[in-house]
Order: sequence, then C-alpha cells, then structure tokens
Amino acid sequence: GQQLNQSPQSMFIQEGEDVSMNCTSSSIFNTWLWYKQDPGEGPVLLIALYKAGELTSNGRLTAQFGITRKDSFLNISASIPSDVGIYFCAGFISGNTPLVFGKGTRLSVIA
Amino acid sequence: GAGVSQTPSNKVTEKGKYVELRCDPISGHTALYWYRQSLGQGPEFLIYFQGTGAADDSGLPNDRFFAVRPEGSVSTLKIQRTERGDSAVYLCASSLAGQGEQFFGPGTRLTVL
Repeated sequence: GQQLNQSPQSMFIQEGEDVSMNCTSSSIFNTWLWYKQDPGEGPVLLIALYKAGELTSNGRLTAQFGITRKDSFLNISASIPSDVGIYFCAGFISGNTPLVFGKGTRLSVIA
Repeated sequence: GAGVSQTPSNKVTEKGKYVELRCDPISGHTALYWYRQSLGQGPEFLIYFQGTGAADDSGLPNDRFFAVRPEGSVSTLKIQRTERGDSAVYLCASSLAGQGEQFFGPGTRLTVL
C-alpha cells in the first residue's frame, strides 16, 4: 500500500544531541501526525499538525507541517535515553480517511 | 485505564485455523480502525468503522479477513484459514468522529505456524 518516505531509516546519536527527521509524500495531506513506538507497544501520538506551515512544540519535540503539504519534519532537542524508539510520521486527507504511515526512523541514543 | 485495549496480546495458531482478535476503543470514540504492522514496517490500514458500519474496508487483503462492530463499541477482527503470511502485529485505534487524532492500543501479535 501507499506509504510515506521517512528519513533517515535509523540514527545513532549521543545523549544531549539534537535530532532531526523528516517525512515526504507524493500526495498532499491535510493533517500530519508524529507517533513514537516502543518495542511491544502500540504507537503513541506525539504531535498533530493541521495547517500548512504550522510549527508545533511538545516539550523537547518540535514538528512542522510543510507549506507544500507534502512533507513534515520532527526535531528532538537535547536527546535523552528514553527517546529511544521508532518514530513514525503519518498523514491523511481528512478525519474520515485512513492514516498512511511511513516506515519509521529508528532512534538509538548512546549515553 | 482509559486507553484502547486489545486482547489477546499474543496469539499463536496453526496454519488453516480461525482466529478472532478483539479491540475495546476509548469510551465515546465512534471511529475505530484496524491496522496491520509487519516487522520493520509502519502500520498498514485494514478497515475503518464509523459507529457500527464499516465505512472503508479497502485495506482488507482478501476475503479471509472480516471485522465486525455490532454495538458501535467493541470490534472483532476475524481471520479464517490463517496463513503464515498473516503473522504480524494487529493494531487497533480509535478517534472521535471526524477528528484526525487516532489513539492506538498495544496490539495483538499473531504468529501462524
């Protein structure tokens, strides 16, 4: 099925470093969501973006909805060990359509 | 808790058997979604319910897969004549009607031997 392109696929960073990952699509989406998934758990919603150009923060996390509506990025500042996990971007056209997910960015934090 | 719950957490079955996976959404959420997640992949859409009816079942891979939500709350995903390729984590999510933010359960890991 259709998927979004996420990059990078994986990252190894030192604790305290900032992290940036992004997501692109060939289609326009009207909403972008960022999720984090820990092993054996379901995805947990981190940030939701509803307007092109919107920049939203949630603690150390900041995400932006690209002005073309075909991309989004997520930044994590001052990473800590509990940031380890897989980060997924997801998008949809309207609230009644299915979410389309990227393949995820696997983040590893070295203490 | 008040989140989405799924049972069982793990299910091991033999090829050809029938399985049922259950999802209990967040109270008051009228929209319910089923996704399937294979190793190293993001979740892939299977079916979406608005209330009791399936509003979009375009993601179901074939007619061995079926889902119901008879009272507009709990949903059951049913897989007939399971195949090894059905092995995956099956995720359920719910949301308020017309709202985009979907909240996921912990998933059911299905293994078909």
